[in-house]
Amino acid sequence: QQQVKQSPQSLIVQKGGISIINCAYENTAFDYFPWYQQFPGKGPALLIAIRPDVSEKKEGRFTISFNKSAKQFSLHIMDSQPGDSATYFCAASMNTGFQKLVFGTGTRLLVSP
Amino acid sequence: ETGVTQTPRHLVMGMTNKKSLKCEQHLGHNAMYWYKQSAKKPLELMFVYSLEERVENNSVPSRFSPECPNSSHLFLHLHTLQPEDSALYLCASSQEDAPGWGGYTFGSGTRLTVV
Repeated sequence: QQQVKQSPQSLIVQKGGISIINCAYENTAFDYFPWYQQFPGKGPALLIAIRPDVSEKKEGRFTISFNKSAKQFSLHIMDSQPGDSATYFCAASMNTGFQKLVFGTGTRLLVSP
Repeated sequence: ETGVTQTPRHLVMGMTNKKSLKCEQHLGHNAMYWYKQSAKKPLELMFVYSLEERVENNSVPSRFSPECPNSSHLFLHLHTLQPEDSALYLCASSQEDAPGWGGYTFGSGTRLTVV
């Protein structure tokens, strides 16, 4: 119930291509769905986030698609660049007296030049 | 200094040593967290402090002991660790009850190696 399942584990995309990472959850109490980007030697950094009252959110080349009925959400990176090569984590949050984030296992993205 | 700062960045310790990890946030947040990041595993929540009170301890072994002396500082005291405790330890902060809560801000982590 508390898990967030993320796929794929790793992804190789050519420069200019579209990167797609998927996540699924079970607990309908989750009410905030962020994506974090992590470069080697750094902590995760918030990339983009969505709440369940909208189906899509776009910020630059990054888009979250959210399907509430299927309990799935995905990250799309358009025109992928080598600088996007990083590990991406989806997460889901609910208020249990404090905001608790549950993370997916991560996707290592490599964008080839 | 801005954001969340963790020291040291790297730590190698023997199983009988005692050491401490330090985290400081400069964001005015009122909640702080310790996470453990191991290869091929989800980030594991270890401890949560909200308004300087510990509100969650996810069954973490007693060889890990947190301390939150004020809302800006968080420590993780380590003693008699095991090799399987080697991991990246991440500190994060957030502003609880903020309208449109915006998630956590993470530090860069401490890479811990237990030998």
